Amino acid sequence: DGGITQSPKYLFRKEGQNVTLSCEQNLNHDAMYWYRQDPGQGLRLIYYSQIVNDFQKGDIAEGYSVSREKKESFPLTVTSAQKNPTAFYLCASNPGTLYNEQFFGPGTRLTVL
Amino acid sequence: AQSVAQPEDQVNVAEGNPLTVKCTYSVSGNPYLFWYVQYPNRGLQFLLKYITGDNLVKGSYGFEAEFNKSQTSFHLKKPSALVSDSALYFCAGTASKLTFGTGTRLQVTL
Repeated sequence: DGGITQSPKYLFRKEGQNVTLSCEQNLNHDAMYWYRQDPGQGLRLIYYSQIVNDFQKGDIAEGYSVSREKKESFPLTVTSAQKNPTAFYLCASNPGTLYNEQFFGPGTRLTVL
Repeated sequence: AQSVAQPEDQVNVAEGNPLTVKCTYSVSGNPYLFWYVQYPNRGLQFLLKYITGDNLVKGSYGFEAEFNKSQTSFHLKKPSALVSDSALYFCAGTASKLTFGTGTRLQVTL
């Protein structure tokens, strides 16, 4: 059963803590993406990676970090430097070309207490 | 800079009636355009895309969209709405980087 998995589904964090969101895909896709979704703002790109061991900042990368050590995995760390981390985080992947649709995971809802 | 606009925050339609969710784009060059649907607390699901060729694109669940280059629009349509179509719909476009609209909530009532 191919697809993208994200864990955990819900995550609670205290202010000042770093947290890492998991994203795994078994679609053999080269490209992976992290988006943040806030009500009324659509999806905003945080980071993306088109190949293993390489990644680029998106539109709102400040306060976030990523790694791409394996093709299947693209974890996102939300650091304490992120001012307003409470949001719904979506991971996506695609074969790497612009005309291919992106496949999305189920999302992680992060709440800062 | 490229952009995608969804001018309506919410669209209300009765079940059985046709529905239209609007999308306009500002993308230089030849755009690739997509529609996605999102159900509550879920990820986005791909519905359809325009790459090139026929301006009328058919997709999943009976949805279709018409690419109109002169009006820079890519409206999503369905001839007969179902209550189960109620969800959040996103238009997205790219010539270099995928940009999403802010989403339109579709509410289909009996």
